[in-house]
Formats: sequence, C-alpha cells, structure tokens
Amino acid sequence: KNQVEQSPQSLIILEGKNCTLQCNYTVSPFSNLRWYKQDTGRGPVSLTIMTFSENTKSNGRYTATLDADTKQSSLHITASQLSDSASYICVVSGNAGKSTFGDGTTLTVKP
Amino acid sequence: NAGVTQTPKFRILKIGQSMTLQCTQDMNHNYMYWYRQDPGMGLKLIYYSVGAGITDKGEVPNGYNVSRSTTEDFPLRLELAAPSQTSVYFCASSYYGLNTEAFFGQGTRLTVV
Repeated sequence: KNQVEQSPQSLIILEGKNCTLQCNYTVSPFSNLRWYKQDTGRGPVSLTIMTFSENTKSNGRYTATLDADTKQSSLHITASQLSDSASYICVVSGNAGKSTFGDGTTLTVKP
Repeated sequence: NAGVTQTPKFRILKIGQSMTLQCTQDMNHNYMYWYRQDPGMGLKLIYYSVGAGITDKGEVPNGYNVSRSTTEDFPLRLELAAPSQTSVYFCASSYYGLNTEAFFGQGTRLTVV
C-alpha cells in the first residue's frame, strides 16, 4: 500500500530560526514529490515539485531535498517568519497518476 | 485571475438533506478534482475529471456524485447527507494530469448534524 509519512506531526519554533520537516514514502513506482503549504482556513498552495532526477529545489526560503534511493524528502525553512505558520503537506505521485497525501506537519512560528 | 473558486464557504446540513458544492476555475485547466480533508488527516480524492464530459472515481466516492458539463465548472453533489460527510471539501484543478501541480480553492467547511 502506498503511504506517505510526515514528521514531526507539529513543531514550534521561534521567529528567525531554521527548521526541517521530514517526509518518508513507500510509493512505487515514483513519479514526483510535491510540497504544499496550507494556511489555516485556506487551500494548499504549491511550494516545490521534484522528479526522480532532482535532489534539491528551492523556492525562496524553502528548500526541498529528495533522496529517491531511501525514499525520503525534507523541507528546510530558513530564517522563519510568522507567516510561515501553516501546515506543510508532502504529496507523492506514482506513474499511474495517483497521488498520496501525507497528513501534514503543523508549524507554529512564535515571535 | 480568480483561480479556483468554491461556494459556499460554510454550510450546515441536516442528516438526509442534499446539497451541491460549486467549483469553478478560470485557468482553462483540463483536470479538476474534489478532495475531502478530515481533521489531522491527509486529503482524500473523491472524484476527478480529465475534461468536459469525463469523470472518474477517486479513493472515497461513496455518497457523492459529480458532473462536468463545461471546462470551467465541476460541482459536487451530496444526495443524502450523513454525519460521516462532515469535513472540509477542496476543489482543485491542474493543466496536466493527476500527478502534477494542482491549484486549490479555499475550501467548503461542511457540518452534517
């Protein structure tokens, strides 16, 4: 069964600090991995999308990494801001076109 | 561009009532989707459409129906509301297929009592 597991479930950090969110998956075969940011009460917004051949992709202060061999991805947030408080969702797609969503990591950035 | 627009934002239904969640997109995307998100859980695909006139079931289609008469609109119909359908519903669209970047609406929070 295809699964996507994210950790930690929740995280609290101080403004200005860095943090890393983890995503482990069992989806096979693999097509791509996407990270979304979901603000409270809003729909998810795409941050990055990575295919098998990509191991790093950045979007401003967000940097995603992918290790397709170990089936792990991470999302690193640099110099966090209050507006980074949100849920971060990892989505992994297989070649059949089906996507499996993780349960998300809830990040709280405190002043 | 408005992107993906969902209405209503909130709704309370009584058990057994019916309703339609509206979704429209102005990006000329071929693919449209309906997801539900239960508290603390990942999004689950209810139905999707690859173009006008074509729809298919996702992971959790029971209790729902959809139609796609135009490229822009993809309404979701609940015929006999049940408490298990209490959830937040998201409509999304993408230009390419199921495994590509999708653009989401703001969601409809539905409570069935």
